[in-house]
Amino acid sequence: IAGITQAPTSQILAAGRRMTLRCTQDMRHNAMYWYRQDLGLGLRLIHYSNTAGTTGKGEVPDGYSVSRANTDDFPLTLASAVPSQTSVYFCASSDNSGSADTQYFGPGTRLTVL
Amino acid sequence: KNQVEQSPQSLIILEGKNCTLQCNYTVSPFSNLRWYKQDTGRGPVSLTIMTFSENTKSNGRYTATLDADTKQSSLHITASQLSDSASYICVVSARGNNRLAFGKGNQVVVIP
Repeated sequence: IAGITQAPTSQILAAGRRMTLRCTQDMRHNAMYWYRQDLGLGLRLIHYSNTAGTTGKGEVPDGYSVSRANTDDFPLTLASAVPSQTSVYFCASSDNSGSADTQYFGPGTRLTVL
Repeated sequence: KNQVEQSPQSLIILEGKNCTLQCNYTVSPFSNLRWYKQDTGRGPVSLTIMTFSENTKSNGRYTATLDADTKQSSLHITASQLSDSASYICVVSARGNNRLAFGKGNQVVVIP
């Protein structure tokens, strides 16, 4: 069992380009999340999905979009990347969306926008 | 203002020594508090979870405490090892809300 996988591991991207970060989980978790982690700021929620077919906005959703076509996959898209989106991106999943459910994190994608 | 404050921001300790990390929170109504360990270049991994009625929880050499009245938690690392070098993140959940409040982490470096 792989848990949560993310791709790519790292990427350097020119400003204005479109980029999709991939996230796949094999735990059949209902809820999935995307966070960004920046030095001195900690983890911040970008978007989330409580179940397949639904998505919601987190704390910092601007410039990002997500889709949840099935249970396993939760891609994050930057339509037109800007340098302020340089960050480490973590995907996470939990069995359900309740506050008692532990979130399991992927290994992260390090994105640099020039 | 961040709802979860951690201290110290960073510390260096000698291998074999103990250390204690602090977490103060304002999240309300409180549901649970977790400590996560994040190794460099990796995603966070859950160490402990405590609900309102629990005031201590251990996971090997890691012991977490919770005082829900004063809204404080601590993570104690006993007999530190080089592999304990990591960021330790305090995460608090509110009742009826699946959003997590993250602290900025305590960066621990264990030196031989």
